[in-house]
Amino acid sequence: EAQVTQNPRYLITVTGKKLTVTCSQNMNHEYMSWYRQDPGLGLRQIYYSMNVEVTDKGDVPEGYKVSRKEKRNFPLILESPSPNQTSLYFCASSLSRTGGGEQFFGPGTRLTVL
Amino acid sequence: DAKTTQPNSMESNEEEPVHLPCNHSTISGTDYIHWYRQLPSQGPEYVIHGLTSNVNNRMASLAIAEDRKSSTLILHRATLRDAAVYYCILRVANTGTASKLTFGTGTRLQVTL
Repeated sequence: EAQVTQNPRYLITVTGKKLTVTCSQNMNHEYMSWYRQDPGLGLRQIYYSMNVEVTDKGDVPEGYKVSRKEKRNFPLILESPSPNQTSLYFCASSLSRTGGGEQFFGPGTRLTVL
Repeated sequence: DAKTTQPNSMESNEEEPVHLPCNHSTISGTDYIHWYRQLPSQGPEYVIHGLTSNVNNRMASLAIAEDRKSSTLILHRATLRDAAVYYCILRVANTGTASKLTFGTGTRLQVTL
């Protein structure tokens, strides 16, 4: 089954404790990205990657890092999480980066930083 | 990015058609019109997209105005499982950030028996 998976689905942590949220897709997609969703603000893009070893900042990259060492994986790293990073996070992938392509979203990771 | 305007909420009865409007008066010639929906506690899900012509797929139809300044997502027979937030999004073609989807607040569709 074609899918995007994220782990963990739920995470409660404390300020400053480094964490990684994993994202994996099994569709051989080149393009992957991370979004965060906050009430009243909709989904905002954090980082994206157009292929292996090619990543770039989205609209809200501060406090986050990503890496793309393999095509299927695109982990989101919070080196020193803060309470303002409490949010619902979605990973997405698509075959193409052009305007006509469909994006597939993962189920989401709900992060709480105390 | 060009902006879209959607009603905050709409209601429909089950088994009836639903027309979800979207205005995008500043759309440019290369912008695709995408629709996604987000069911409760799930990630966004692709519904349909188009450029100039009307489009149909198994989930819905997309009607695009001739001047492309507005579009309508049509669910032919709403079911309870269609209750979700529907997002109308313009997606720029052929740039480095082409696949970014800029989500607005969308239309919350409520379906009742």
